[in-house]
Amino acid sequence: GAVVSQHPSRVICKSGTSVKIECRSLDFQATTMFWYRQFPKKSLMLMATSNEGSKATYEQGVEKDKFLINHASLTLSTLTVTSAHPEDSSFYICSAHRLAGTDTQYFGPGTRLTVL
Amino acid sequence: GQQLNQSPQSMFIQEGEDVSMNCTSSSIFNTWLWYKQDPGEGPVLLIALYKAGELTSNGRLTAQFGITRKDSFLNISASIPSDVGIYFCAGQQNTGNQFYFGTGTSLTVIP
Repeated sequence: GAVVSQHPSRVICKSGTSVKIECRSLDFQATTMFWYRQFPKKSLMLMATSNEGSKATYEQGVEKDKFLINHASLTLSTLTVTSAHPEDSSFYICSAHRLAGTDTQYFGPGTRLTVL
Repeated sequence: GQQLNQSPQSMFIQEGEDVSMNCTSSSIFNTWLWYKQDPGEGPVLLIALYKAGELTSNGRLTAQFGITRKDSFLNISASIPSDVGIYFCAGQQNTGNQFYFGTGTSLTVIP
């Protein structure tokens, strides 16, 4: 199956700092990638849709200035959590949309962010 | 956005038993995907369905695309301890559009 990587897998930072998370599709090109946030024992909450070469589309209630998304190439999207606070601590997961005849979405392994 | 209703929310079963879970929507979907998520990991794709009525297997897993296009089912036969995890369905209305996710089914297998 298709492979999506995410880096880092875990990050601990101090309140007020910014954290960048990378999402890469390793063996296919993805014009669209998605960023999710997941709380313990909860479903995936879509934060934003990342489109290569254009601005990301944010879901209602998600601050675009807080969660900066850059989709610079067909295989890389980044999420930057700016001025992180403890309430931003969560599990962040990206996925890449593979369109090759049929549509499939593949997930990265996730990034555990802890803000102290 | 769209919300898929997934049931049951959780299941506790004995090893060796069969498992059945489903996902329903008020809207028609053209693609259904089923994922399994282990703790601290991203969801892993299990089965993809692209045609109404389609029945697809992956080992002990079988999933069906409902004929009405508003539901999908996932069955696991002869469950084993490593089947433990959270199972998510996902539906897509049109090619190229986003996928909507179910609320998840948490499966616990008792040895």
